[in-house]
Amino acid sequence: GQNIDQPTEMTATEGAIVQINCTYQTSGFNGLFWYQQHAGEAPTFLSYNVLDGLEEKGRFSSFLSRSKGYSYLLLKELQMKDSASYLCAVRDEKLTFGTGTRLTIIP
Amino acid sequence: NAGVTQTPKFRILKIGQSMTLQCTQDMNHNYMYWYRQDPGMGLKLIYYSVGAGITDKGEVPNGYNVSRSTTEDFPLRLELAAPSQTSVYFCASSSPRQGATNTGELFFGEGSRLTVL
Repeated sequence: GQNIDQPTEMTATEGAIVQINCTYQTSGFNGLFWYQQHAGEAPTFLSYNVLDGLEEKGRFSSFLSRSKGYSYLLLKELQMKDSASYLCAVRDEKLTFGTGTRLTIIP
Repeated sequence: NAGVTQTPKFRILKIGQSMTLQCTQDMNHNYMYWYRQDPGMGLKLIYYSVGAGITDKGEVPNGYNVSRSTTEDFPLRLELAAPSQTSVYFCASSSPRQGATNTGELFFGEGSRLTVL
């Protein structure tokens, strides 16, 4: 089975940097995803890690340590539109999601 | 580019009624999934399929049924609706991860908001 943990809520200031952590315990592993979900909308893909290390995509970066069962999503130069839920998901044959972290950006 | 299309977008059911949520994708993806999302919660997997004719249970399959007769379609059936099935339902599809460039990410439909009264 899969067990995925993320903080429930976080608050950060516009223009700052925030790190959202995700820890997982899984029977199999074939990659870790981060998705963004605005209220009332479907999730949209942000990043994917299958090997250890950092993947950078513009203002967003994601890190993976398979030996520690740990990932984080780093958001830089925060904008008000980054207020959303961020979902960590781990794949074996299927994709299992954590409960998500609701991020609120304040001016 | 239609992607993943779900119908209906909204539906109100009475307890005990039945209905089918439709999902179709035009990306020729092998994998398809049904998730439900309760308010303020993450996504829970109901059923998934790795190809036509193959389906398997996820975390919360009770009260639901699926079929996968074609690559494109993956309908979700609720036989006897209960208030506990009030939720937002998301259908998604993906291709298998291949090489360094295809992550096998999920593409989601817009969701179907179901209320059971």
